Amino acid sequence: KNQVEQSPQSLIILEGKNCTLQCNYTVSPFSNLRWYKQDTGRGPVSLTIMTFSENTKSNGRYTATLDADTKQSSLHITASQLSDSASYICVVKGQAGTALIFGKGTTLSVSS
Amino acid sequence: DAGITQSPRYKITETGRQVTLMCHQTWSHSYMFWYRQDLGHGLRLIYYSAAADITDKGEVPDGYVVSRSKTENFPLTLESATRSQTSVYFCASTAFDSGANVLTFGAGSRLTVL
Repeated sequence: KNQVEQSPQSLIILEGKNCTLQCNYTVSPFSNLRWYKQDTGRGPVSLTIMTFSENTKSNGRYTATLDADTKQSSLHITASQLSDSASYICVVKGQAGTALIFGKGTTLSVSS
Repeated sequence: DAGITQSPRYKITETGRQVTLMCHQTWSHSYMFWYRQDLGHGLRLIYYSAAADITDKGEVPDGYVVSRSKTENFPLTLESATRSQTSVYFCASTAFDSGANVLTFGAGSRLTVL
């Protein structure tokens, strides 16, 4: 069964600290993986998309990595800010014509 | 205003009532989707549409009806609301098949069924 598992479920860090969120998937064949950020009371917004051939991609203070062999991805946030407090959702796309598989998300709280 | 808008943002209704959630996008995206988001679950696909007059079921379609007479609108109807349909509903759109493009989500409609 195609699944996307995210860890940790929730995380609390101090402003200015770094953190890493994990995403493991069993989707096969694999097409791409996206990380979304969802602020409270808002819809998810795409942060980055990674295809099979990409290992690392950065978007400002956000850096995503992908290991297609082990079916793992991570989202690293550098120098966290209060505005990083949100839920981060990993979404995997399998073969053409199949639906996106959503993880349950990691809730990040950044405190001052 | 450009974008994807959902209405109402908040709705309280009673069991057995019919409820329609509206979704409107201004980009002329071909694909539109309805998801529900519940605690302990990821976003789950209810219905999607590849074009006007073309709709298909997602993972959790029971109790919901959709239509797409115009490209820009994709309403979701709960014909007889149940408490289990209390949720936050998100509409999304993309220009092509979701595998090739990023989904753009609306702000969500929070529905409470009493």
